[in-house]
Amino acid sequence: DIVMTQSPDSLAVSLGERATINCKSSQSVLTSSDNKNFLAWYQQKPGQPPKLLIYWASTRESGVPDRFSGSGSGTDFTLTISSLQAEDVAVYYCQHYYTTPPTFGQGTKLEIK
Amino acid sequence: EVQLVESGGTLVQPGGSLRLSCVASGFTFRSYWMHWVRQAPGKGLVWVSRINSDGSITNYADSVKGRFTISRDNAENTLYLQMNSLRAEDTAVYYCARATTTVTSNTIDFWGQGTLVTVSS
Repeated sequence: DIVMTQSPDSLAVSLGERATINCKSSQSVLTSSDNKNFLAWYQQKPGQPPKLLIYWASTRESGVPDRFSGSGSGTDFTLTISSLQAEDVAVYYCQHYYTTPPTFGQGTKLEIK
Repeated sequence: EVQLVESGGTLVQPGGSLRLSCVASGFTFRSYWMHWVRQAPGKGLVWVSRINSDGSITNYADSVKGRFTISRDNAENTLYLQMNSLRAEDTAVYYCARATTTVTSNTIDFWGQGTLVTVSS
């Protein structure tokens, strides 16, 4: 199974500042055939189910604010929130969907400083 | 509006059985791969199982293989998870989740609210 490792485990950022979360996969999730990274990011707010933010490593799901962006390729990926808002307090998970089982990172808890 | 409503979670003794249900609405259920994902209290997300649109293909996490069975009734728009030989480590909120039709069968784009399963004596 592919192991997904996120860093840091928790993060405190001031309102309006940039937040950066990293995700590393134990093997590449990039397909050579169409140059796509099989990587998604989810946001889970307290007491709620997860919500899909980004897929193909950098494509925002419909309705997701453009302050959320994803980048990276191969084994190293980043989720960036360009200007943190109060409503962004949540746990963020990366997930690969390259093979079955599709595995998740352990999560990064984002708080307001 | 897309909805996934899970039910069936409860307190069960170790070694016991339980069947979870998930009723779907607001989309063409029979066209989608469906998944179960669980989350132990205060912990992260763990994929459990998936089933293809007509129920002919199923996959399981190693931790539940041989104990859990995923199935679906497309006429009733319902997904199931039969859980046997339950262990304390199966205690979690179980989410029913829909995979996209536009990305891959393992890309989840919508989640239910979850149902809590507690395995304890």
